[in-house]
Amino acid sequence: EAGVAQSPRYKIIEKRQSVAFWCNPISGHATLYWYQQILGQGPKLLIQFQNNGVVDDSQLPKDRFSAERLKGVDSTLKIQPAKLEDSAVYLCASSSPRGLAGTDTQYFGPGTRLTVL
Amino acid sequence: AQKITQTQPGMFVQEKEAVTLDCTYDTSDPSYGLFWYKQPSSGEMIFLIYQGSYDQQNATEGRYSLNFQKARKSANLVISASQLGDSAMYFCAMRVQGGGNKLTFGTGTQLKVEL
Repeated sequence: EAGVAQSPRYKIIEKRQSVAFWCNPISGHATLYWYQQILGQGPKLLIQFQNNGVVDDSQLPKDRFSAERLKGVDSTLKIQPAKLEDSAVYLCASSSPRGLAGTDTQYFGPGTRLTVL
Repeated sequence: AQKITQTQPGMFVQEKEAVTLDCTYDTSDPSYGLFWYKQPSSGEMIFLIYQGSYDQQNATEGRYSLNFQKARKSANLVISASQLGDSAMYFCAMRVQGGGNKLTFGTGTQLKVEL
């Protein structure tokens, strides 16, 4: 079974530029998550989708961040315009309630490392 | 609000020895789940083990076991027979029943396995 795919793996941009990240979840996983992991910290949830609907976006900085999952499969996360403090690893995860003993375990992709100069 | 505390920024262990990584949590929700993830330098978060708040027995997965002490609100990860490939960052995380499936993570423990 293929895991969560993310691209690009690395991205370097200047502040005030825009950037987009792509995620393809594990096949059949209805729930998709985007996390931000700043160096030295644990991941923080930005947004959670159930199919193509938003479940939780309470920690998404909506003035500059946006995300969509139009067909309930792939998702894109966009930052526009980027700030220096957006430098982080952006992790995508997916889960299914039919997974490991019903625990709805989240499985993560390799992440995108963003550097804003 | 939920909180996960990992007080060990770094740990060293000799190859083939066992090591315990500490995790304490705080929540008022009676139903919750605790997870441990491994993050190698490549960046991917790898799921290791899960413990539900109502589980009667401590979870085990191969060389990983979870020492769950509910009254003390601790969920320590025990890695037996450490291997060089175990060197990584380890994160404890919690999900509560009333919080969707959102995970709250600790700050992690960097484990280094030495020869």
